[in-house]
Amino acid sequence: AQSVTQLDSQVPVFEEAPVELRCNYSSSVSVYLFWYVQYPNQGLQLLLKYLSGSTLVKGINGFEAEFNKSQTSFHLRKPSVHISDTAEYFCAVTFDGGFKTIFGAGTRLFVKA
Amino acid sequence: GAVVSQHPSWVICKSGTSVKIECRSLDFQATTMFWYRQFPKQSLMLMATSNEGSKATYEQGVEKDKFLINHASLTLSTLTVTSAHPEDSSFYICSANHQGLMNTEAFFGQGTRLTVV
Repeated sequence: AQSVTQLDSQVPVFEEAPVELRCNYSSSVSVYLFWYVQYPNQGLQLLLKYLSGSTLVKGINGFEAEFNKSQTSFHLRKPSVHISDTAEYFCAVTFDGGFKTIFGAGTRLFVKA
Repeated sequence: GAVVSQHPSWVICKSGTSVKIECRSLDFQATTMFWYRQFPKQSLMLMATSNEGSKATYEQGVEKDKFLINHASLTLSTLTVTSAHPEDSSFYICSANHQGLMNTEAFFGQGTRLTVV
């Protein structure tokens, strides 16, 4: 079965500290991977995506993610977070070029001063 | 870039009435669009796949008679919540894949917050 798992529902972190938000998926076919951010009462904003090529992907707002095929993971990282990074982050996967995008449960990043 | 517009961004309706939400791809054609539902503090759950010129494909557990989907053109899909009840209150988001850019990301609308009173 195809699935997406975000291992942490909430991640509290102090401002300027590094952060990693974890995402694992289960699939027997090729995948395309995405991270989205959602601010309160707003839609989704694409942070970054992996379609092919280099497994280290850089996105907006200083975020990056690394695709690890053997571990079926696509963890999101940022070396130094800001208060403004407080939001909900969703990992999403499209399987085998299909159009369906399946979302993880989300991780709430809470940056404290 | 590819832009998907949803309208309205928020709506309040009385219980028992129907509400229509539009999803438009502004600068590209989309043979397939998707409708998601998001309850507070939860993830996005795929409701249905909207196919231009044919019937929508609904996910398990989604009532097709309650959530009517019409995809009449390559740039417009509509979701109508019929006989809305308070439990239908939610955030509804659509997405579309660029027809000419298969196997890339879906482009999301800004969402519609529906409140049924």
